[in-house]
Amino acid sequence: EADIYQTPRYLVIGTGKKITLECSQTMGHDKMYWYQQDPGMELHLIHYSYGVNSTEKGDLSSESTVSRIRTEHFPLTLESARPSHTSQYLCASSRGTGELFFGEGSRLTVL
Amino acid sequence: DQQVKQNSPSLSVQEGRISILNCDYTNSMFDYFLWYKKYPAEGPTFLISISSIKDKNEDGRFTVFLNKSAKHLSLHIVPSQPGDSAVYFCAVRMNSGYSTLTFGKGTMLLVSP
Repeated sequence: EADIYQTPRYLVIGTGKKITLECSQTMGHDKMYWYQQDPGMELHLIHYSYGVNSTEKGDLSSESTVSRIRTEHFPLTLESARPSHTSQYLCASSRGTGELFFGEGSRLTVL
Repeated sequence: DQQVKQNSPSLSVQEGRISILNCDYTNSMFDYFLWYKKYPAEGPTFLISISSIKDKNEDGRFTVFLNKSAKHLSLHIVPSQPGDSAVYFCAVRMNSGYSTLTFGKGTMLLVSP
């Protein structure tokens, strides 16, 4: 069973607030990812990291930012949340070129 | 433009019968193919994978078939169980150590008793 954790699981917040979604893994994986998914749609890659101090934007443009100061931690931040940011955010990690292990997701609702 | 297509949004099957989920991809450079299963309000969990050098991979009740010439893969579940009811995502990766996964939109499988 994968050891990757996301907090909070659910967040309801007002427009304009700053939010940080936390993601931590205890498997020592170098590679970490953030995906965004809406119901009935594919998972869209918004950020990824191949190691400490390495971050890249994914295929889907996002106003969020990420940081990778420690191997095990890959937080995602929205400086000013808007209703269009309402979605499920999924964090994942992998070793090498193998399969991704996902956390349980953070469901964000912006009012 | 979608690189990975799962054309059936949903599939209903009776318990004990075979479930067949399909996935088509557009780029012949994809070399590794995966299936993930997702329950509501949870993250996807890895189910089974296949590399482009094979045409079949089996794990218990789950078998993935790859047809490279048709750029098509399928997941067979037999016998289907009610606990298999979930959304199934097909994912592909290009032949590169730095490549990320690209996902389809998923197929919701409902297995009724």
